[in-house]
Amino acid sequence: EIVLTQSPGTLSLFPGERITLSCRASQSVGNSFLAWYQQKPGQAPRLLLFDASRRATGVPDRFSGSGSGTDFTLTISRLEPEDFAVYYCQQYGSSPLTFGGGTKVEVK
Amino acid sequence: EVQLVESGGGLVQPGGSLRLTCAASRIAFNSYAMSWVRQAPGKGLEWVSGISGSGGSTYYADSVKGRFTMSRDKSMNTVHLQMNNLRGEDTAVYYCAKLGVSGHYHDYWGQGTLVTVSS
Repeated sequence: EIVLTQSPGTLSLFPGERITLSCRASQSVGNSFLAWYQQKPGQAPRLLLFDASRRATGVPDRFSGSGSGTDFTLTISRLEPEDFAVYYCQQYGSSPLTFGGGTKVEVK
Repeated sequence: EVQLVESGGGLVQPGGSLRLTCAASRIAFNSYAMSWVRQAPGKGLEWVSGISGSGGSTYYADSVKGRFTMSRDKSMNTVHLQMNNLRGEDTAVYYCAKLGVSGHYHDYWGQGTLVTVSS
């Protein structure tokens, strides 16, 4: 089973800042089959990116992803008020599907 | 837009059973693989089970293997999760999610249904 470690656990930032979140895998994720999700309190997760860098339908272009192998990042170029949430990565390169523990992005 | 609606959650005693249902609309439902993903209170996401578009293949996390069974009813556009021998650690919000066309990422999610296992 691939274990995904997200860091940091919590980030405190101001609106307008640039942010980079990390997702590190315990072994290589095949074909860069990695997705990122955003979850707000009381809501279901929302798909942001898949295949490490492809934006899902309707996702603003301030969200971008990169990486391969064991190291992946999600970047938000300029934090908007609606971006304060918890972000999860998920690998689908091998079974079972696994999620990272999440990074909470909060208002400073 | 795709809509997924879960139902069937509730309070159950340890050792009991529950059957969750996910109803899909506005989707060629039988073309897509589906998952159940759960989230314990205040915790992260955990994949629980998956089923192929045909329903011929099912997959389970080790934590639920032998206790949970996922199935789909093509005529009703639904998927189900039969949960037996429930434990306290199964307490969570259970989400139904559709898998993507090109890979096993979850592109649409339901709103979730809460399962509480407690005496």
